[in-house]
Amino acid sequence: QKEVEQDPGPLSVPEGAIVSLNCTYSNSAFQYFMWYRQYSRKGPELLMYTYSSGNKEDGRFTAQVDKSSKYISLFIRDSQPSDSATYLCAMSAGGTSYGKLTFGQGTILTVHP
Amino acid sequence: SAVISQKPSRDICQRGTSLTIQCQVDSQVTMMFWYRQQPGQSLTLIATANQGSEATYESGFVIDKFPISRPNLTFSTLTVSNMSPEDSSIYLCSVQRQGNTEAFFGQGTRLTVV
Repeated sequence: QKEVEQDPGPLSVPEGAIVSLNCTYSNSAFQYFMWYRQYSRKGPELLMYTYSSGNKEDGRFTAQVDKSSKYISLFIRDSQPSDSATYLCAMSAGGTSYGKLTFGQGTILTVHP
Repeated sequence: SAVISQKPSRDICQRGTSLTIQCQVDSQVTMMFWYRQQPGQSLTLIATANQGSEATYESGFVIDKFPISRPNLTFSTLTVSNMSPEDSSIYLCSVQRQGNTEAFFGQGTRLTVV
């Protein structure tokens, strides 16, 4: 079993839809949770960063962390064609593992006009 | 954030040869890491590049295959040695600053071994 599980999709939605992306994890030591967006042939771009459980909102993006269920989500409101990319969840335990990220498989998202 | 420059951006190499990838950051950073992204796969951490000392490798990765240097706080290199087609991947440099858990990535080096 992988430490971080993410549905690879692909996910195809119409423009304006609300998108929900999810990851589950098994390592209870994870404390820091990130979402990255990766366009084709580009490096990952940090979208959202959260620490411990709770919600964080930034524009059209909302990140949720539920440590009791070992489950994190990213919601994209009013999705745009420019949101079409691969979305990667990533996690870190902190401490001596500070900075070492464990990634999910990535979800390929297409937003069509 | 940080501006991270990786060179080369892509290369096609013959099996049995070695390629050195460079990572340059626009300001001093505490932590530098190297990741691999195999075709259709997610990112896997290869090693932590330690300034002034030997790199720390993750399980499944060894120094003879992936020697790493980090001579200062803004620069690191990763060498992929004695390459085989299985080494065809995107190699990515990642950095973090002191007291900041956010990690930023370079554009990656797309390596094809033939």
